[in-house]
Amino acid sequence: ETGVTQTPRHLVMGMTNKKSLKCEQHLGHNAMYWYKQSAKKPLELMFVYNFKEQTENNSVPSRFSPECPNSSHLFLHLHTLQPEDSALYLCASSPAVGGVYEQYFGPGTRLTVT
Amino acid sequence: QKEVEQDPGPLSVPEGAIVSLNCTYSNSAFQYFMWYRQYSRKGPELLMYTYSSGNKEDGRFTAQVDKSSKYISLFIRDSQPSDSATYLCAMSALGSGGGADGLTFGKGTHLIIQP
Repeated sequence: ETGVTQTPRHLVMGMTNKKSLKCEQHLGHNAMYWYKQSAKKPLELMFVYNFKEQTENNSVPSRFSPECPNSSHLFLHLHTLQPEDSALYLCASSPAVGGVYEQYFGPGTRLTVT
Repeated sequence: QKEVEQDPGPLSVPEGAIVSLNCTYSNSAFQYFMWYRQYSRKGPELLMYTYSSGNKEDGRFTAQVDKSSKYISLFIRDSQPSDSATYLCAMSALGSGGGADGLTFGKGTHLIIQP
């Protein structure tokens, strides 16, 4: 496996379910990110982790709970979601945080909340 | 006023044409400018990365930054059907490790190259 991988690629869940998204990066980077991509809207930054420490929570509702056990893995735990949370969830990584570093994206998880 | 403005298109051009994609922005602190290409059902892929003002060329792609006008462009020469995708501009300030160190994106322009 190379680059940034995400599982599952597609997920359908009910509003009362609990599920988790997984991201793994094989680039030796120290920073990882979660973004949300909705139709006709720009990518929205959700969370930033630097060396496993969360450095940014961009006013994300508590029904989204991130976890970063090490610099290579990032999870997004989901519970009691709303239909408007249906979107493509993208994970990215970079060598470190900071605008000078390029970010590399995974293929995304397409989430549908019913 | 949104931080980054980008026309969502679709922009449809014939194969071989020169394509011009543009973004405007309002935050004068932005120093790093990137263009990502996103194919359907895929994550964004980094195409070009520039710092401050000026031009950068890579094969058929040229990125231009005009900080005085807060305007960036991506030119694609000799466009191919395989260039059909959504092109996202993204930018960031010089991060210090605190605050939002993610990228600020435009909505993306959907480009169609007609064979």
